[in-house]
Amino acid sequence: AQSVTQPDIHITVSEGASLELRCNYSYGATPYLFWYVQSPGQGLQLLLKYFSGDTLVQGIKGFEAEFKRSQSSFNLRKPSVHWSDAAEYFCAVGASNDYKLSFGAGTTVTVRA
Amino acid sequence: NAGVTQTPKFQVLKTGQSMTLQCAQDMNHNSMYWYRQDPGMGLRLIYYSASEGTTDKGEVPNGYNVSRLNKREFSLRLESAAPSQTSVYFCASSVSEQYFGPGTRLTVT
Repeated sequence: AQSVTQPDIHITVSEGASLELRCNYSYGATPYLFWYVQSPGQGLQLLLKYFSGDTLVQGIKGFEAEFKRSQSSFNLRKPSVHWSDAAEYFCAVGASNDYKLSFGAGTTVTVRA
Repeated sequence: NAGVTQTPKFQVLKTGQSMTLQCAQDMNHNSMYWYRQDPGMGLRLIYYSASEGTTDKGEVPNGYNVSRLNKREFSLRLESAAPSQTSVYFCASSVSEQYFGPGTRLTVT
């Protein structure tokens, strides 16, 4: 069965500092991997996805993620956070790009001035 | 292009009452999904529909039923609501990635 672990429940970062969110997955074959962001009271918005090819993936809002098969990881990074990046972030793994995603429990990011 | 829409946005039910959550998408996607979101647990798949006329159980289907009415609409029904079903419910549709609706916040007292 596929599963995702996000080890950090909550991260606080200063505005302008770099951010890295960890994601570890379990899946027997080549996974499809996603990062979503959720602002308070809102739905989920896709930040980026990995299906195949280049292991460094660029997304929206200045985010990037790196797929490391040897470590079963897909960590999300941003070089310089903005106050508007305060939100909850979810990593997800899927057997295909069409259904049955498994989500991690999420990481809440707080940005301090 | 409204994307994925859900109604209602908020609902309070008493234990044992029934209700249907509505979801519609205008992106011509074949696949649609229902998730529930609970604090500290991420999103868990309740049911999904890979195409019009087909539905299948996800991770947490007990207490729910679904109907894929047509390609656009996918409804979720609670026949006899229980306090354990208090949650935020999200509908999604997909082709290469999943697009989410704004959610329905349901409280069962």
